[in-house]
Amino acid sequence: DIQMTQSPSSLSASIGDRVTITCRSSQSISSYLNWYQQKPGRAPKLLIYAASGLQSGVPSRFSGSGSGTDFTLTINSLQPEDFATYYCQQSHSYPRTFGGGTYVESK
Amino acid sequence: QVQLVQSGSELKKPGASVKVSCKASGYIFTNYAMNWLRQAPGQGLEWMGWVNTNNGNPTYAQGFTGRFVFSLDTSVSTAYLQISSLKAEDTAVYYCAREDMVPGNWGQGTLVTVSS
Repeated sequence: DIQMTQSPSSLSASIGDRVTITCRSSQSISSYLNWYQQKPGRAPKLLIYAASGLQSGVPSRFSGSGSGTDFTLTINSLQPEDFATYYCQQSHSYPRTFGGGTYVESK
Repeated sequence: QVQLVQSGSELKKPGASVKVSCKASGYIFTNYAMNWLRQAPGQGLEWMGWVNTNNGNPTYAQGFTGRFVFSLDTSVSTAYLQISSLKAEDTAVYYCAREDMVPGNWGQGTLVTVSS
């Protein structure tokens, strides 16, 4: 199985900050990497697909990059509604696997 | 628009069974496989497996064999997750999610609570 390692597991940030979350896979997954945002009591919401594709309706302050084994989710100018938990997921092979999550909280 | 609507919360006793439904609309049900995922309280996301909506063939992730069954009723565009011999550790929110290159369609989640 492909292991997904996210870092950090949590971070504190202020409105307007640039936030970067990284995800590393245990083997190459090309660009088969998705990023989700989850708020308490809600289903995960797709932000980024195929490493850098911005899902329809997602603000352009969210961006993704990377290929192979190393990936990054960047939030430019953090907004109040961005405080949430973020997960990466590989869709290269089965079983689908997720990173452990990054909790973004208000500083 | 694509919608996946799941059945409501369930409270079950240990040893009982539960069946969670996921009704799809807005697309041809048999054109996309369906994934099932679990999220235990305060924990991350686990992929449980997927079901081929063309032939009903299920694939289960390690740790989700034996007591977990994926099934379909294509006549009503609905996927089901049945869990038998429930244990306290099965307490979680269960999600269905359409398999897609852009995997943005998820059900709202069904909370299954197992408690005596």
